[in-house]
Amino acid sequence: NAGVTQTPKFRVLKTGQSMTLLCAQDMNHEYMYWYRQDPGMGLRLIHYSVGEGTTAKGEVPDGYNVSRLKKQNFLLGLESAAPSQTSVYFCASSSGPEGEKLFFGSGTQLSVL
Amino acid sequence: GQNIDQPTEMTATEGAIVQINCTYQTSGFNGLFWYQQHAGEAPTFLSYNVLDGLEEKGRFSSFLSRSKGFSYLLLKELQMKDSASYLCAVMDSNYQLIWGAGTKLIIKP
Repeated sequence: NAGVTQTPKFRVLKTGQSMTLLCAQDMNHEYMYWYRQDPGMGLRLIHYSVGEGTTAKGEVPDGYNVSRLKKQNFLLGLESAAPSQTSVYFCASSSGPEGEKLFFGSGTQLSVL
Repeated sequence: GQNIDQPTEMTATEGAIVQINCTYQTSGFNGLFWYQQHAGEAPTFLSYNVLDGLEEKGRFSSFLSRSKGFSYLLLKELQMKDSASYLCAVMDSNYQLIWGAGTKLIIKP
């Protein structure tokens, strides 16, 4: 019963490096999301997808890119990491937007030096 | 702008009752969620309210008043494992979730 699997759990980058976070869900959910969580702030939506092959910008999309080539996978990329991107990243999925609860991955602690 | 307010931190005693409040101002309303998040872990769903009133689920209850832009989460018979952050989130008219910063609940024996 995997649910939402997110890798890696921890990552340290130097400024300017690139990386990709992988999110996989086995619940056949249409909707997938990438959030960041910073101290003293609510979860902020980076990008989301409402189905295979679709992506859309959230509240804080700058510096990030995403892809949803397969329904079960949602990738988050950082092309040129900056210290401001130090955060905890959560992937989530749901079966729809209206009143449907989110299932979260275990999170990725990213530090950009 | 859109805003969700919750207390930053609360302390309660094991076995007692605690009420965590959430007030919101959003562009439209399509439901309010409460999530629990233990330190270092992912948020997990607790409750969903879309109509006014109280929803009870075991030791946890959630209340909503849409006219007042207000909700609360009530935790009864507190246990040490209830020490966590509690996140309030409102779904706006565009079905986007707006999140509060969370309330850290500390349970003392």
